[in-house]
Amino acid sequence: GQQLNQSPQSMFIQEGEDVSMNCTSSSIFNTWLWYKQDPGEGPVLLIALYKAGELTSNGRLTAQFGITRKDSFLNISASIPSDVGIYFCAGQSGDRGSTLGRLYFGRGTQLTVWP
Amino acid sequence: EAQVTQNPRYLITVTGKKLTVTCSQNMNHEYMSWYRQDPGLGLRQIYYSMNVEVTDKGDVPEGYKVSRKEKRNFPLILESPSPNQTSLYFCASSLYFRQGANYGYTFGSGTRLTVV
Repeated sequence: GQQLNQSPQSMFIQEGEDVSMNCTSSSIFNTWLWYKQDPGEGPVLLIALYKAGELTSNGRLTAQFGITRKDSFLNISASIPSDVGIYFCAGQSGDRGSTLGRLYFGRGTQLTVWP
Repeated sequence: EAQVTQNPRYLITVTGKKLTVTCSQNMNHEYMSWYRQDPGLGLRQIYYSMNVEVTDKGDVPEGYKVSRKEKRNFPLILESPSPNQTSLYFCASSLYFRQGANYGYTFGSGTRLTVV
């Protein structure tokens, strides 16, 4: 399967700081997604990106679809304690039928926010 | 409430004893999938299904079976569980995937399986 390299693996930041994380792949993707997982729960979709160069925001979160289509970035501005969790990137390379259901995930970035 | 429901939440079993983890969604979603989550490895796709009777292998299908006889249900079957299948399992569903429009997967709350 395709490998998604997500970094950093973990981050420890103070409340109010901005956060950046990224995801790279050796293959081209058609769609990039960013998810957040709270403890004891399943991942929840934060942002979806569909075009190279696209920049999309969701509140304090901003994500970008890299120009090469092999990377994506997520920024969180002015972090707050409830931002704590694991953030996953996910990529989709299929373009028709059942291949569209093939969604690859990165290994996650564990975010800790100190008050 | 729109949701993906998987049962049980926790399961401890012994090596070789067949088990089934059920998954049901009430959103009339086309796609369903199973993932396993292990520390440091992220989420790895086991199987996915585009519709009834259509299933495909993901990254780690060995040792697992699935079936999609009805649109709403997608059970995960471990015919002969082994300790290396101890993991956190997530069922997920999606309304559709299209080029340029993507709901992504909606995940259930997880099933923590321990095989001793």
